[in-house]
Amino acid sequence: DSGVTQTPKHLITATGQRVTLRCSPRSGDLSVYWYQQSLDQGLQFLIQYYNGEERAKGNILERFSAQQFPDLHSELNLSSLELGDSALYFCASSEGDIRGYTFGSGTRLTVV
Amino acid sequence: GIQVEQSPPDLILQEGANSTLRCNFSDSVNNLQWFHQNPWGQLINLFYIPSGTKQNGRLSATTVATERYSLLYISSSQTTDSGVYFCAVLVTIRAGGGADGLTFGKGTHLIIQP
Repeated sequence: DSGVTQTPKHLITATGQRVTLRCSPRSGDLSVYWYQQSLDQGLQFLIQYYNGEERAKGNILERFSAQQFPDLHSELNLSSLELGDSALYFCASSEGDIRGYTFGSGTRLTVV
Repeated sequence: GIQVEQSPPDLILQEGANSTLRCNFSDSVNNLQWFHQNPWGQLINLFYIPSGTKQNGRLSATTVATERYSLLYISSSQTTDSGVYFCAVLVTIRAGGGADGLTFGKGTHLIIQP
C-alpha cells in the first residue's frame, strides 16, 4: 500500500456522462497531482493542487476539472465523456518535495 | 516542452540476465525519477536521481545531468522485474512548495522469461 488511496478502482460509464474520481493523499502530503495514462498518449500530467490551491496545469481538457478540499483529498471531475477518455487515471501526492512523489493504484475508466 | 526518450522500447531477457535502460532528455531538469509499472498497472517509485548514482538491491541508476541522460541497471533479473520502466523529469520547481508535473518518457517494456 503506497498510502495514496484512489476510488473507485474501476468505472464503466456511457458517453456523455459525468464521473468523479477521488484521491486521498499520503498523510502529511500537501500536493496532489492527477495523471492520465492512455495507450496513444502515454502518461500525461493533468493538474496539480497544493494545500487546496491549483498550482500547475498540464494537458487537462476543459471538460475536466479538479479540486482539493480542506482535508486535502482531491476529486477529478470528468464531464461530457467521450470514448477517447477511456484511460487509467492516477493520483499522486508529495510533501512538496519531488522525492516524496508517490502514486496511487489508479482508476480505470471505460467509456462505452 | 521538454522531450524524454527512452530506449530500448522493448526488451525480452531470460531470468538471471542483466540489462541497461536509457533515458535521454532534451533540456536541463531539476529532477529525474525512475518508475516501474507492474503488470497490474501499479506505478512504483524506484529512484529519485537528479544526478549521481544510487543503488537499491539489484537495481541501480546513474544520471549525468550535464550530458542529459540517465541509466537504469537491473542485475540478475527476476520474473517479477517484468513490466514497464518509465523515466520522468521535472523542469521547474515552484517557490513556496509543490512541484510541477512530471514529463514521462514512453517507457521500456521489459519481459523476463523463466
